[in-house]
Amino acid sequence: AQSVTQPDIHITVSEGASLELRCNYSYGATPYLFWYVQSPGQGLQLLLKYFSGDTLVQGIKGFEAEFKRSQSSFNLRKPSVHWSDAAEYFCAVFRNNAGNMLTFGGGTRLMVKP
Amino acid sequence: EPEVTQTPSHQVTQMGQEVILRCVPISNHLYFYWYRQILGQKVEFLVSFYNNEISEKSEIFDDQFSVERPDGSNFTLKIRSTKLEDSAMYFCASSGPSGQATDTQYFGPGTRLTVL
Repeated sequence: AQSVTQPDIHITVSEGASLELRCNYSYGATPYLFWYVQSPGQGLQLLLKYFSGDTLVQGIKGFEAEFKRSQSSFNLRKPSVHWSDAAEYFCAVFRNNAGNMLTFGGGTRLMVKP
Repeated sequence: EPEVTQTPSHQVTQMGQEVILRCVPISNHLYFYWYRQILGQKVEFLVSFYNNEISEKSEIFDDQFSVERPDGSNFTLKIRSTKLEDSAMYFCASSGPSGQATDTQYFGPGTRLTVL
């Protein structure tokens, strides 16, 4: 069965510092991978997605993620964090032979220190 | 930009009561979903819906749950007899037109259901 693991439950970074959020997946076929962000009181917003091709994908709000098949990872990065990036971040894998369901990781809550 | 909307934002109900959570998906989307997130836990898939029928459902989606698209715009989730453990945030999502991974699933803001 597929699964997604986000090893870090909470991360705190200083504003202006770089950020990397980890995501590992377990999936038998070629994975379709996503990062979503959830701000307080908001729904889930798509940051970026990977299907195939270039393993470094760019998203909104200055985020990027790199797919590494050998490590079964899809880590999210941002070179310089802003206070408004404080939110919960979810990695997810898509199964299109199972009702298009997304399987989510447990999430990483990002806090930004001034 | 089009968005998925959900009503109500917060629903409080007594155990054993029926609740209906409502969603208005993005208008040209063809695939509809419900997910839930129990406080402090993962977002979990409940059900997907296409062409007026369920495409896939999780083991969570038992006989107490049902979904319906009663008209051309709404998509509802009904819980027939709520239990305490149904307390969660329920997210509606939609995607289209192909239903493939290339179609982003857009999520609504959620309905927080509290069962007392």
